[in-house]
Order: sequence, then structure tokens, then C-alpha cells
Amino acid sequence: QSALTQPASVSGSPGQSITISCTGTSSDLGSSNLVSWYQQHSGKAPKLIIFDVSKRPSGVSDRFSGSKSGNTASLTVSGLQAEDEADYYCCSYAGSKTLLFGGGTKLTVL
Amino acid sequence: QVQLVESGGGVVQPGRSLRLSCTASGFIFSSYGMHWVRQAPGKGLEWVATISHDGGNKYYAESVKGPFTISRDNSKNTLHLQMNSLRVEDTAVYYCAKDQGYCSNGVCYLVYNMDVWGQGTTVTVS
Repeated sequence: QSALTQPASVSGSPGQSITISCTGTSSDLGSSNLVSWYQQHSGKAPKLIIFDVSKRPSGVSDRFSGSKSGNTASLTVSGLQAEDEADYYCCSYAGSKTLLFGGGTKLTVL
Repeated sequence: QVQLVESGGGVVQPGRSLRLSCTASGFIFSSYGMHWVRQAPGKGLEWVATISHDGGNKYYAESVKGPFTISRDNSKNTLHLQMNSLRVEDTAVYYCAKDQGYCSNGVCYLVYNMDVWGQGTTVTVS
């Protein structure tokens, strides 16, 4: 299975909103609501920020939101802050008890 | 607090074996499934393997199926990854992660969300 497709990089200015897309197929992301997003700061372990397409774990800012349409999931970060600069990965259940990550997107806060 | 600590990484020659461990604390280890995820240098995350709360079910990525074995010892709150026949392309930071799952009526379920991660252990095959 190929990794889910994410843009390599996105950028935005403080206060702005950005959206990161994550595209799969009808066999994986398109047929699952088990879509999650992880934030990874440089040199650190990943952190769960969105699960089940659009739910936020306790303690995660409501500036992070998720959605899905067809074979594409999206992560929106609103009110960009310097601390949001990190790598972001989507992940989807891909059937047969397997998981698939996206290639990752580097978010730069200008 | 909830914590996962990996160990066992190192430098190993191609074809050799290595066993990673992940020690859990701060939660009821035996109630949750666990995952291994790896990240090659400068690359993205790759799911490696998953084990159910009781060790009865194990799932692997195609890239490691056969040489790698995931296991757990609930009496010691420890997760393992036995890696045999290592290849250069297995070089990565290996993370263990707790599944977000839940238990209901005595049955515990995997939900495939990783809500707690360790700091990672580095494996270099060279």
C-alpha cells in the first residue's frame, strides 16, 4: 500500500488559517472514519491532535479541526501561532487491521 | 503520569537481530492495545505493528511481516519488538504508542488512534 498523499509543505502568517489535505483511496481513507492527525515538533515524538476524523483529545486547542469528504481528509489550523510550526501527519485505518500514514506536511509560520 | 519508555536500540550489522522494549507506566497496561511506529532519518512515520490488549491478536505492515514479531508481557507492563534479519532500510527511530481503545463488558477494543507515545529508540543497521 502506498502512503496517503499530503502536500510537502504549507505556510501561513500568524493569525491566518491553513488547511492540510490528506488523500487516499476508496479502499483506505475513503471507507474509514478512523482518520487521525499527529503533530510532530522537530526532534520530538508525535502527538495526537485529531481522531475519528474530527474529534479533539482533551487538552488540544480548538484551533485544530478535522473533516473528511470522500477520499480526502483535511486538517485546518486557525489563528496560526508560532508554536504550530511542526510536521503534521494524517493516518487512516486501511482495512485488514492495518494502518497507513501520510507522507507528512511541514507547516511553516511566516 | 502516563509514560512509555523505549529501550534496546543500537547499531547492528545487516542480517543480525535486535529486540526493542517499551515499558509502560501510569495506566492499566493490560487493558490497551499497543503499536510500534518507525521513522527513517528525514522521512515520515510508518506503522510497523499492532498487538491487542491481551496479546492474542497481532498485525503487521507488509514491509516487516515475517522478520518482525510484536509481543507483550502484561505482568511486567512491557511491550517488545523482535527484529530479525535486519536490513539497511530498517534504520529508523522506533516509537511505541498506546492505543486510545476502551473496554466494555469485559471486552477491550482497539480503535487505532495512538494517544500516548514514547520518546523513541534509534536503530541503525549498517
